[in-house]
Amino acid sequence: GQQVMQIPQYQHVQEGEDFTTYCNSSTTLSNIQWYKQRPGGHPVFLIQLVKSGEVKKQKRLTFQFGEAKKNSSLHITATQTTDVGTYFCAVRGAQKLVFGQGTRLTINP
Amino acid sequence: DAGVTQSPTHLIKTRGQQVTLRCSPKSGHDTVSWYQQALGQGPQFIFQYYEEEERQRGNFPDRFSGHQFPNYSSELNVNALLLGDSALYLCASFSYVNTEAFFGQGTRLTVV
Repeated sequence: GQQVMQIPQYQHVQEGEDFTTYCNSSTTLSNIQWYKQRPGGHPVFLIQLVKSGEVKKQKRLTFQFGEAKKNSSLHITATQTTDVGTYFCAVRGAQKLVFGQGTRLTINP
Repeated sequence: DAGVTQSPTHLIKTRGQQVTLRCSPKSGHDTVSWYQQALGQGPQFIFQYYEEEERQRGNFPDRFSGHQFPNYSSELNVNALLLGDSALYLCASFSYVNTEAFFGQGTRLTVV
């Protein structure tokens, strides 16, 4: 089955710095989804990418899907304290989501 | 429009006991999936229910079972609890026409 690895596991930044998390697979992915989980909260859907080389933006967040559809990234520009949480990539199959281990982002105000 | 609701929010059980967790999907959704999230890990798929049947199962033992009712709500049952079953149990719902999964706030299960 499709599996994804995420790096880094943890990232601590100063408020205003940029942040990037990477999601990698050894196999071609049919899609990639990104979720955010605030501390003590539940995963919340951010976006889905399906096309090779696709780039989508949501305000300060930029999502990319690699040309080979084997990797994806989430980049946050000028982090704010509201960005704190764990960011997960996930592959959606017919009946299930397969999640990466997540990248936990902490921010020093 | 209510989102996905789960009950209870927290639960403490003793090893060997049985537990039932409940989930009501988002209005208009007919598919419910259950996930186990250990501390510091990503959610792990347990199983999915659609039309009151288990459609797919993850790598979990038979101690984990479920049910879906005609109103699409679902239960997750875990028998013979182990310490390692301590985790956040998440319910997610979606319809096949939608892309995203909607998660409930989860049930935090602690086995002592």
